[in-house]
Amino acid sequence: DAKTTQPNSMESNEEEPVHLPCNHSTISGTDYIHWYRQLPSQGPEYVIHGLTSNVNNRMASLAIAEDRKSSTLILHRATLRDAAVYYCILNPGNDYKLSFGAGTTVTVRA
Amino acid sequence: EAQVTQNPRYLITVTGKKLTVTCSQNMNHEYMSWYRQDPGLGLRQIYYSMNVEVTDKGDVPEGYKVSRKEKRNFPLILESPSPNQTSLYFCASSPRLAGGSYEQYFGPGTRLTVT
Repeated sequence: DAKTTQPNSMESNEEEPVHLPCNHSTISGTDYIHWYRQLPSQGPEYVIHGLTSNVNNRMASLAIAEDRKSSTLILHRATLRDAAVYYCILNPGNDYKLSFGAGTTVTVRA
Repeated sequence: EAQVTQNPRYLITVTGKKLTVTCSQNMNHEYMSWYRQDPGLGLRQIYYSMNVEVTDKGDVPEGYKVSRKEKRNFPLILESPSPNQTSLYFCASSPRLAGGSYEQYFGPGTRLTVT
């Protein structure tokens, strides 16, 4: 499985944007980039995914580098509820399995 | 409300006493799976099921059994639990893949302690 590299932790102030980087230099052409997050004492929650183009939804934006070797999850205005572990996961389009790494722990300061 | 439910949410048991953790989803999803989460090891897949009567091993299947007799239910069975199965367990479901576009829905988790 292609691997991803994320920083262990990041801090942000409330109502400021958060940019979470993810490196995936060995990504294959068919790998989708998925992001999930896990709030304290809860199960993982889908955030967003993409293949080549940047993606936006109500929760976040996903910016994918042109060579696809890195991507950035953008939380536009962090709230206290966004404090969680964020996982960047590569997944071939024909496989349901998600391989979770350590993720990035995001702390939001009030 | 679309959801994945697990029961029980918390369970303390003793070594060797058979137990079942239930998982149910109300979204008519074909794919279901079980993960365990341990400090420092992250989430690891135990078993998964592509459809009714179709199950397969994940990364850490030893000591676990599953069954998929109905589409909505995917119970996790520990025939003879041991202390190394103390963990936080998550069930997940997902609709059939359509060109790689999908998302997995996770349950709230079951915290199991085996003494």
